[in-house]
Amino acid sequence: DTEVTQTPKHLVMGMTNKKSLKCEQHMGHRAMYWYKQKAKKPPELMFVYSYEKLSINESVPSRFSPECPNSSLLNLHLHALQPEDSALYLCASSQDPKGQGIYGYTFGSGTRLTVV
Amino acid sequence: AQSVTQLDSQVPVFEEAPVELRCNYSSSVSVYLFWYVQYPNQGLQLLLKYLSGSTLVKGINGFEAEFNKSQTSFHLRKPSVHISDTAEYFCAVSTYNQGGKLIFGQGTELSVKP
Repeated sequence: DTEVTQTPKHLVMGMTNKKSLKCEQHMGHRAMYWYKQKAKKPPELMFVYSYEKLSINESVPSRFSPECPNSSLLNLHLHALQPEDSALYLCASSQDPKGQGIYGYTFGSGTRLTVV
Repeated sequence: AQSVTQLDSQVPVFEEAPVELRCNYSSSVSVYLFWYVQYPNQGLQLLLKYLSGSTLVKGINGFEAEFNKSQTSFHLRKPSVHISDTAEYFCAVSTYNQGGKLIFGQGTELSVKP
């Protein structure tokens, strides 16, 4: 299995809703990432998990709450989002738990989130 | 801090023509360089990467890139493109001291016309 699987593929939520994005990989990668991508823009890093521990938070608002329950699973909990949070949310994993930056990422296909 | 500049936001080209997508980077330490492709409504797929050694790197789908340290460039090339190569291409850089973080360029939209 060489894939990163993200669910759901599409999500529409109201500003008062609570929802979660899910990401799963079975490649034995111990580093996992959340990126946000707006239309016609490059991905922007949100969070990095290394060995199931949060290692980087790029000053993301608290309405985004990441969770890494085990080495294969990464969640992003969403609460009280704003319309400007509408974007493609990409999960990625890497053989790079030491944060050496030499392996590149395997990306999932993303969840397209629309906040109304 | 590291940065990546993709010099062309859009590159239109006819099918079977050669193409070069340009990428320059800035860093005070040694870098690792990557090219990713993103097809519409999909995630990013790794095309190729440069870590060390030979400066000419071959990737998937017939793409190759050349690392030029003196010019701080990592341009992507393909000798003959297909309609199916139409996509967004991102150059990215990482370093050993950034916790595995990838810094992406702004992207180049490659449009292959028949």
